[in-house]
Amino acid sequence: AQSVTQLDSQVPVFEEAPVELRCNYSSSVSVYLFWYVQYPNQGLQLLLKYLSGSTLVKGINGFEAEFNKSQTSFHLRKPSVHISDTAEYFCAVSFSGYSTLTFGKGTMLLVSP
Amino acid sequence: DGGITQSPKYLFRKEGQNVTLSCEQNLNHDAMYWYRQDPGQGLRLIYYSQIVNDFQKGDIAEGYSVSREKKESFPLTVTSAQKNPTAFYLCASSKRGQAAMTRNTEAFFGQGTRLTVV
Repeated sequence: AQSVTQLDSQVPVFEEAPVELRCNYSSSVSVYLFWYVQYPNQGLQLLLKYLSGSTLVKGINGFEAEFNKSQTSFHLRKPSVHISDTAEYFCAVSFSGYSTLTFGKGTMLLVSP
Repeated sequence: DGGITQSPKYLFRKEGQNVTLSCEQNLNHDAMYWYRQDPGQGLRLIYYSQIVNDFQKGDIAEGYSVSREKKESFPLTVTSAQKNPTAFYLCASSKRGQAAMTRNTEAFFGQGTRLTVV
């Protein structure tokens, strides 16, 4: 069965510290991978996506993610976070042969001064 | 500017009443989706449509209905049969719905409608 797991429901971090938000998926078919960000009472905004090619993907707001096929992971990283990065982050996977995205349950990033 | 518009942003209804949430897109996307979001549960797919006059049930379709009479519009009706309708509802669209056929599978989201049933 296809599934997406975000291992941490909340990640607290201090401003200017690095952060990694973890995402793993389970699949026997090829995948496309996405990270979305959601600010309170808003819709989701695409941060970055992996379709093919280089496994290191750079997105908006200084975020990047690395696709690791052997570990079936797509972790999101930022070297130095800002207060404004406080939001909920969703990993999503498009599994080959399926018509919809499968979302993880989200990770709340809490940045404090 | 192209985008997806959901209306209203906040909606209150009495228990037992049907309510329809609006979703309109001017991105010329073929596929449209409705998700429900509850705290700690991520996004769960209610219904999706890959083409006009056709739609499929998602993971939690019970108590909901949709129509797709126009490419731009995909309204969602929350019926009185939905046992726990209070939630944040998100509409999305993408260029195509067939993930195996295209790379253009990223979804664009509206700003959401928060429905409260009292």
